[in-house]
Amino acid sequence: AQKVTQAQTEISVVEKEDVTLDCVYETRDTTYYLFWYKQPPSGELVFLIRRNSFDEQNEISGRYSWNFQKSTSSFNFTITASQVVDSAVYFCALSENTDKLIFGTGTRLQVFP
Amino acid sequence: DAEITQSPRHKITETGRQVTLACHQTWNHNNMFWYRQDLGHGLRLIHYSYGVHDTNKGEVSDGYSVSRSNTEDLPLTLESAASSQTSVYFCASSESIRGGGYTFGSGTRLTVV
Repeated sequence: AQKVTQAQTEISVVEKEDVTLDCVYETRDTTYYLFWYKQPPSGELVFLIRRNSFDEQNEISGRYSWNFQKSTSSFNFTITASQVVDSAVYFCALSENTDKLIFGTGTRLQVFP
Repeated sequence: DAEITQSPRHKITETGRQVTLACHQTWNHNNMFWYRQDLGHGLRLIHYSYGVHDTNKGEVSDGYSVSRSNTEDLPLTLESAASSQTSVYFCASSESIRGGGYTFGSGTRLTVV
């Protein structure tokens, strides 16, 4: 069965600190997709990244980077030089052959000035 | 522009009443999903549909039903609202190709008193 674990319930940092959000997944499929979403205080879900299981290259987008490691079933998200606007709940999610998107419980990130 | 809309944005109802939450998408996506978001649980799948006249139960389907009479709409009905169904509800749609992008509505905050 598919499962996504985000063990960090809440993280607090001071602006300009780097922060890593952990995501561990379980799946029996060889083809699957991993996602990260951001939910700011306004409540909407904002898509950040999608990665398929055959592409283990790390990805960088501005201050955001993602580290995908199949050997440890992890898809971690790092924010470099965090800003107050990064304060949000971040969700990791997994989609396999059924196309259902299964979410982790989320990590609340608070960035203080 | 294509979009996915949920209505109402906020709803207060009484225990025992039947409530229907609307979800309408103009992406022409075959896949549609309903999630509920609760603190400590992340987003959990209620029901989903892969196309017209197709509906499937998710992990928290008790007390909910859906019907899919066309591509655009997947209304969620609470047969007899309970206080445990107080939550934020999100509708989503996706392309019916592996790894297709998911689009989320803005959410409906439902309070059962």
